[in-house]
Amino acid sequence: AQRVTQPEKLLSVFKGAPVELKCNYSYSGSPELFWYVQYSRQRLQLLLRHISRESIKGFTADLNKGETSFHLKKPFAQEEDSAMYYCALVVNAGGTSYGKLTFGQGTILTVHP
Amino acid sequence: DTGVSQNPRHKITKRGQNVTFRCDPISEHNRLYWYRQTLGQGPEFLTYFQNEAQLEKSRLLSDRFSAERPKGSFSTLEIQRTEQGDSAMYLCASSRRASGEQFFGPGTRLTVL
Repeated sequence: AQRVTQPEKLLSVFKGAPVELKCNYSYSGSPELFWYVQYSRQRLQLLLRHISRESIKGFTADLNKGETSFHLKKPFAQEEDSAMYYCALVVNAGGTSYGKLTFGQGTILTVHP
Repeated sequence: DTGVSQNPRHKITKRGQNVTFRCDPISEHNRLYWYRQTLGQGPEFLTYFQNEAQLEKSRLLSDRFSAERPKGSFSTLEIQRTEQGDSAMYLCASSRRASGEQFFGPGTRLTVL
């Protein structure tokens, strides 16, 4: 069965500092990886997906199949980045999970002024 | 608001009572997902619909839980004979296709006393 691990429950940085939220996964096939974000008093929303290979709000994430990781990075953190971040995976369309998301436990990012 | 809506937003019930939650997905989305989230954990998959067909159910979904999507539009999740361990946030999400790119509702927070 697939599993997503986010080793840090809490991460604090100062504004302007680089930030990296770690995500490791275990799955024998080729999953599709996502980062979801939940800002205070807002619903869970998609931040980015690995197949898009795009930068959203300055965040990027590279899928490293050798290390089975999908770390989220931003070179200069902003106070508005403070939120809960979840890494998640979906088994590829050729599998039978029908788009079922498997989430990590989440990392609370706090960016101090 | 054309996003996913869930009702009620909060439900407090006594152990042993039955509860029912409703989810209205984005209108053009034919995939609908239910997740459960307990404190300090990421969302966990419960079940999935494609149109009115329930295609996958998690082992978390005991026989006390039942979900329906009778006309392929809104969905209901019913919990019979609630237990204190059912206390959680119940999230609904929808998507246009079987994908990890899902749109989440605000959730229904259930408290079982």
